[in-house]
Amino acid sequence: SQQGEEDPQALSIQEGENATMNCSYKTSINNLQWYRQNSGRGLVHLILIRSNEREKHSGRLRVTLDTSKKSSSLLITASRAADTASYFCAPMDSNYQLIWGAGTKLIIKP
Amino acid sequence: EPEVTQTPSHQVTQMGQEVILRCVPISNHLYFYWYRQILGQKVEFLVSFYNNEISEKSEIFDDQFSVERPDGSNFTLKIRSTKLEDSAMYFCASSEWGVLSSSYEQYFGPGTRLTVT
Repeated sequence: SQQGEEDPQALSIQEGENATMNCSYKTSINNLQWYRQNSGRGLVHLILIRSNEREKHSGRLRVTLDTSKKSSSLLITASRAADTASYFCAPMDSNYQLIWGAGTKLIIKP
Repeated sequence: EPEVTQTPSHQVTQMGQEVILRCVPISNHLYFYWYRQILGQKVEFLVSFYNNEISEKSEIFDDQFSVERPDGSNFTLKIRSTKLEDSAMYFCASSEWGVLSSSYEQYFGPGTRLTVT
């Protein structure tokens, strides 16, 4: 399987804490994207990191990419209840196709 | 802010019937996609569409499925002879990506929940 694999499958933390989600993949990639999905809703693009980048920030989000280990992480700092959602990493392979994993279900407890 | 829209939000159909799911991609986008997500499972790629033809399709996208861009705005997914296992959320997405653009982000619609009974 070429799919991305998120870890952990589920994460429950207190509001205000940082949340870290990891992703591993198997194929060569052009870039790697992270998406959020609220329950029963569509996917929202969060951030894209290119294969020649190692770290990227967007607001409270920090993404890292290690192409030698074929892994990425998403850090959400100072979590809020509204961050409760499923988070998916989607590597884009050399055919420019997104490869989806099962996601990490993040629950922020108030 | 421009967004991808999908209709209907929920479609109930009987097994064996044909359904057409509709999408209006963002107007200046060049690539269009259909994905599906069976409840509680991962997102699965179905097909991508560029320049009025299919550019990539997955194993799931067999002869039961077809896509069409009937006019300048709509992008449709037709599922013929629906089966129980076709019940899922179907997401349309579009992206600006093209040879002259390096924007690879895909913008998703809210989805159509298809229930086959």
